[in-house]
Amino acid sequence: GQQLNQSPQSMFIQEGEDVSMNCTSSSIFNTWLWYKQDPGEGPVLLIALYKAGELTSNGRLTAQFGITRKDSFLNISASIPSDVGIYFCARARGQNFVFGPGTRLSVLP
Amino acid sequence: GAVVSQHPSWVICKSGTSVKIECRSLDFQATTMFWYRQFPKQSLMLMATSNEGSKATYEQGVEKDKFLINHASLTLSTLTVTSAHPEDSSFYICSARTPGQGNYGYTFGSGTRLTVV
Repeated sequence: GQQLNQSPQSMFIQEGEDVSMNCTSSSIFNTWLWYKQDPGEGPVLLIALYKAGELTSNGRLTAQFGITRKDSFLNISASIPSDVGIYFCARARGQNFVFGPGTRLSVLP
Repeated sequence: GAVVSQHPSWVICKSGTSVKIECRSLDFQATTMFWYRQFPKQSLMLMATSNEGSKATYEQGVEKDKFLINHASLTLSTLTVTSAHPEDSSFYICSARTPGQGNYGYTFGSGTRLTVV
């Protein structure tokens, strides 16, 4: 019930394409977080969502908190090579986080 | 911005030896730090919560005698993997809450890749 599922697991896209990935759970959450992890680095927070239906942008990234509070999606527009990495959704659990399994993004030039 | 520094960034050790990993908050104080482990192509899994001046809190299934955590100052937490075995090979990442960045302003270190041979 507390697990997060992400899809797709991995994706290969051409530079310039838009990307969409999502995160689902069987439980209701009050906060959704999206992180990006570059190879060999720690994750970095991209977007935090705090209420159902919320749509938030950060540059070329847009994330939405699903109405049911059980899902969230992340879109990346006009992808560039530096978008390569693993994108994790996460939920807060007290002071720390539970991370989803991640979506591995590869951008082909 | 806030920086959490981990050292070393990678380490190779022999089976049976111990390895210490440091996590430092460079420009802020962190009363609480978190240690995660990430196996290849898997997600981050919380191992333990490190509390300055008191005992660490370990997640279920994590051996506290094997993964020793010391948080002796407000800017330093250390994780010591004792009697390391090949199955301990993993990417270890620490994080700390960053003051003034809201409820979810946590800064992660750049990780330490441990390989036990």
